[in-house]
Amino acid sequence: DQQVKQNSPSLSVQEGRISILNCDYTNSMFDYFLWYKKYPAEGPTFLISISSIKDKNEDGRFTVFLNKSAKHLSLHIVPSQPGDSAVYFCAASASTGKLIFGQGTTLQVKP
Amino acid sequence: GAVVSQHPSWVICKSGTSVKIECRSLDFQATTMFWYRQFPKQSLMLMATSNEGSKATYEQGVEKDKFLINHASLTLSTLTVTSAHPEDSSFYICSARGEGAKNIQYFGAGTRLSVL
Repeated sequence: DQQVKQNSPSLSVQEGRISILNCDYTNSMFDYFLWYKKYPAEGPTFLISISSIKDKNEDGRFTVFLNKSAKHLSLHIVPSQPGDSAVYFCAASASTGKLIFGQGTTLQVKP
Repeated sequence: GAVVSQHPSWVICKSGTSVKIECRSLDFQATTMFWYRQFPKQSLMLMATSNEGSKATYEQGVEKDKFLINHASLTLSTLTVTSAHPEDSSFYICSARGEGAKNIQYFGAGTRLSVL
């Protein structure tokens, strides 16, 4: 049972435009959500997170939106840069602190 | 952000031998460390959770006698793959979380294990 889903395996965006990566979850006990960026053969790098008591968190070019009623979160990157090309994982956690990861979305930003 | 070092980054071993992977938190004390495994083009799958000074908690389906985890200090956890077989070949990644880290885990660079 996939509790965290990223239904788009890949996304291609032009440099300078907005990238929107989506994530859905099924477990209503999740109360903290994170986005990680990963390059091949490297560990994930933490990008941004959001608590379930908020609906938006912004950090520079990255903004995460949370819609609890829809059990949906999204990561917006604007403006997108070629260096943003990587695999993006969303993750969710409940009280145990364990992270449940989605399958990842490969973002390609074209110059 | 916090720095987690994982060593080695790549190891090749013969079938039947054991391999030890180290995970260190360099600039913070990691009360909890996690070990993940990633298959090609798949997500990270949690193998086990370890707290300093106590036994690791393994996820369902993970053989604790095969994947030995030791978390002897607040900055070091090790994963030993015992009697490795080709099916153990994978990408292993550790992460660490400090006190009050709000569920944020910081990851090492991963270890590519190839068992011949």
